[in-house]
Amino acid sequence: AQSVTQLDSQVPVFEEAPVELRCNYSSSVSVYLFWYVQYPNQGLQLLLKYLSGSTLVKGINGFEAEFNKSQTSFHLRKPSVHISDTAEYFCAVSPMNTGFQKLVFGTGTRLLVSP
Amino acid sequence: EAGVTQFPSHSVIEKGQTVTLRCDPISGHDNLYWYRRVMGKEIKFLLHFVKESKQDESGMPNNRFLAERTGGTYSTLKVQPAELEDSGVYFCASSPRGLSNTEAFFGQGTRLTVV
Repeated sequence: AQSVTQLDSQVPVFEEAPVELRCNYSSSVSVYLFWYVQYPNQGLQLLLKYLSGSTLVKGINGFEAEFNKSQTSFHLRKPSVHISDTAEYFCAVSPMNTGFQKLVFGTGTRLLVSP
Repeated sequence: EAGVTQFPSHSVIEKGQTVTLRCDPISGHDNLYWYRRVMGKEIKFLLHFVKESKQDESGMPNNRFLAERTGGTYSTLKVQPAELEDSGVYFCASSPRGLSNTEAFFGQGTRLTVV
């Protein structure tokens, strides 16, 4: 079984500051890793995913994440945030041994960007 | 190309009533998933269809929930009778079969409130 931990339920940050949203996971098998974002009154949108290869993954809207297998982490970063980045961010995993199937999500981190 | 569409966007019903949620996946996607987020907790998997067959329904909470996907196109999720703890946001997602199946595309969700 897999589990995902997002320790920060809420992260306040000022506009143009850097941000890191933390994600750690637990799994007995190798996993695919994902970050989804939910903007206010919208559905879930894929930010980025790690399937294989380079551990640094670049996504949409200037976000990137780094897969660290030894620390079982997949932290999300952005060097300079905008007001429009205010949203809830979800880390998720899917086991590799069954191909892409169901996702296991963390509890989400609400990013609050203020001027 | 149309994305995943869910109806209704909001539903408020009384305890004991029946509610049916509908999901139209992306055209050609054989995989269809239902997820639920209750009270700001993590998004949890409910079940997975491959075409019209239930591949995995391990996340269905109890027999008050019935999911169908007749003809392998749209899907419905019926809750009968609804209880207070069924309140939450129900997400539907779809993905293609085969090697291109590396991510799920989500709808906007249906917010269900049971009073």
